[in-house]
Amino acid sequence: DGGITQSPKYLFRKEGQNVTLSCEQNLNHDAMYWYRQDPGQGLRLIYYSQIVNDFQKGDIAEGYSVSREKKESFPLTVTSAQKNPTAFYLCASSIDGREQYFGPGTRLTVT
Amino acid sequence: KQEVTQIPAALSVPEGENLVLNCSFTDSAIYNLQWFRQDPGKGLTSLLLIQSSQREQTSGRLNASLDKSSGRSTLYIAASQPGDSATYLCAVAGNTPLVFGKGTRLSVIA
Repeated sequence: DGGITQSPKYLFRKEGQNVTLSCEQNLNHDAMYWYRQDPGQGLRLIYYSQIVNDFQKGDIAEGYSVSREKKESFPLTVTSAQKNPTAFYLCASSIDGREQYFGPGTRLTVT
Repeated sequence: KQEVTQIPAALSVPEGENLVLNCSFTDSAIYNLQWFRQDPGKGLTSLLLIQSSQREQTSGRLNASLDKSSGRSTLYIAASQPGDSATYLCAVAGNTPLVFGKGTRLSVIA
């Protein structure tokens, strides 16, 4: 089965801790994306990667970091510098950047 | 900078009604427009993708149209069902990564 997996589905952390969200795809897509979704705000782009070992900041990259060591994987680290990390995080992939396929999301709660 | 607007933000209709969701965008230089469905707490499911050279796309009870020159797209849902209740988002692809609207939350009442 081809698709995008995100784990875990729910994640709870204490304030001040870094946390890493997993995103894996077996669609052989070159491009991968991380979005944040808050109620009433739509999707906002955090980081994206168009090729292995390269990535670019999106609209709200502050307090986040990523790596792209393998084509299949694009993990997102939410650092303690992110002021309001509680949100729903969505990962997507694309062959050409113009049609995206999404994973099921990870809901992060930081208290 | 591309901006995408969806109106209305929320819509409630009785079962069986035909309905139209609207999406507008400010920069007509797009490659395509994609409509997604999102159920509560879930990821996005792609419904329809319209290339910039196309006027419309159909899938079952769904029909999406695109008027690039006026910066508008509509998603038509025929004979709505309670299972259609979800949030519908549109997104446009241009020279930058996809830009999303905030979505229309649809409730179909049985």
